[in-house]
Amino acid sequence: GENVEQHPSTLSVQEGDSAVIKCTYSDSASNYFPWYKQELGKRPQLIIDIRSNVGEKKDQRIAVTLNKTAKHFSLHITETQPEDSAVYFCAASIEYGGATNKLIFGTGTLLAVQP
Amino acid sequence: EADIYQTPRYLVIGTGKKITLECSQTMGHDKMYWYQQDPGMELHLIHYSYGVNSTEKGDLSSESTVSRIRTEHFPLTLESARPSHTSQYLCASSEGAGMNTGELFFGEGSRLTVL
Repeated sequence: GENVEQHPSTLSVQEGDSAVIKCTYSDSASNYFPWYKQELGKRPQLIIDIRSNVGEKKDQRIAVTLNKTAKHFSLHITETQPEDSAVYFCAASIEYGGATNKLIFGTGTLLAVQP
Repeated sequence: EADIYQTPRYLVIGTGKKITLECSQTMGHDKMYWYQQDPGMELHLIHYSYGVNSTEKGDLSSESTVSRIRTEHFPLTLESARPSHTSQYLCASSEGAGMNTGELFFGEGSRLTVL
């Protein structure tokens, strides 16, 4: 069935370094790829998303890249800060029933930014 | 304030009890979802709805049931709770018109413990 793989499961970086989280998806019909951040004890929140008609999108210190041929997409966080510490989830929309989409989430990456 | 609300936030019950987790959103979204989140982080889709009187099972088999009688309300019911149902349950909604999935807005979650 459809699935989204996410790596690494845990990532520890020093403050100021960059962090990269990678995901692969299985369904070539996927066309929407969001990233969610979940801080400890909080609800997941959308931080950035990308649609299949673009290869890269940036928003300040975060960026997402998409390679549709390889079915890979990645989250890049530059100049990491302690408040970036959280669990990050990638997701892909899988067409269902030919009419509407639903999101399938990756397994999550626990990012720890060491001061 | 437009938001998505879940009650109860925490629930500890005995085996065999019937429970209902409530979810309401005031954003007028047509699409609503229930995710089960493992202690190990993964988000698993267990139910979704694309509008009133529409309910579908998600990718993770669940003994729970849902109903969607009103746009704003999407309750989840367990007829006979078991310890294996212990988990966090996250409700979400999205506007996503037509083929677009759209941003998911999550509730704060209901943490269920079955003894």
